[in-house]
Amino acid sequence: DAKTTQPPSMDCAEGRAANLPCNHSTISGNEYVYWYRQIHSQGPQYIIHGLKNNETNEMASLIITEDRKSSTLILPHATLRDTAVYYCIALASGNTGKLIFGQGTTLQVKP
Amino acid sequence: DAGVTQSPTHLIKTRGQQVTLRCSPKSGHDTVSWYQQALGQGPQFIFQYYEEEERQRGNFPDRFSGHQFPNYSSELNVNALLLGDSALYLCASSFVATGSTYNEQFFGPGTRLTVL
Repeated sequence: DAKTTQPPSMDCAEGRAANLPCNHSTISGNEYVYWYRQIHSQGPQYIIHGLKNNETNEMASLIITEDRKSSTLILPHATLRDTAVYYCIALASGNTGKLIFGQGTTLQVKP
Repeated sequence: DAGVTQSPTHLIKTRGQQVTLRCSPKSGHDTVSWYQQALGQGPQFIFQYYEEEERQRGNFPDRFSGHQFPNYSSELNVNALLLGDSALYLCASSFVATGSTYNEQFFGPGTRLTVL
């Protein structure tokens, strides 16, 4: 599975969009980009995943560049409850679940 | 519907002892994975159980072993505890339909193990 690189920390004002970047320049054609987040003292929580098209669900949007070397997770209206560590993971299709977590990005949403 | 549950929530052991951690998967899930999360680090994959067998294993020594029961619940055993085994141990469950590319794992709250 490809290595991913994320900034260690970011701040965002409450109510504004939070844009979390992820680089995965060695991603292969069959690897999906998954995002999880971990709120303090809880287990990680799935947010969204995608292959090459942009994806949106009730939690967030995922924008993947055309060359698939990077992606951005967008939380459209960040709240204080979105303060967490966000992990970007490349996962091959057919991989049954060995998630490789990096250091992630600590997002601090401020009032 | 209960999500993934783990027990105990906290545990204190001394070096050299053995420990067993337990996990009950989310209803309908048949696969259980275990992760170790040291303070300030991302979770590290230990192993995964499916159909009562270890299907994948991460880079952990044989002191770490596991088991999956017919009801899909699972145990993680660690022998000869070291100070460095102090961590949050997370259990995750999933069900991947044949041919599906969707692999969402549901994590439990974890067991905090402290080795003194």
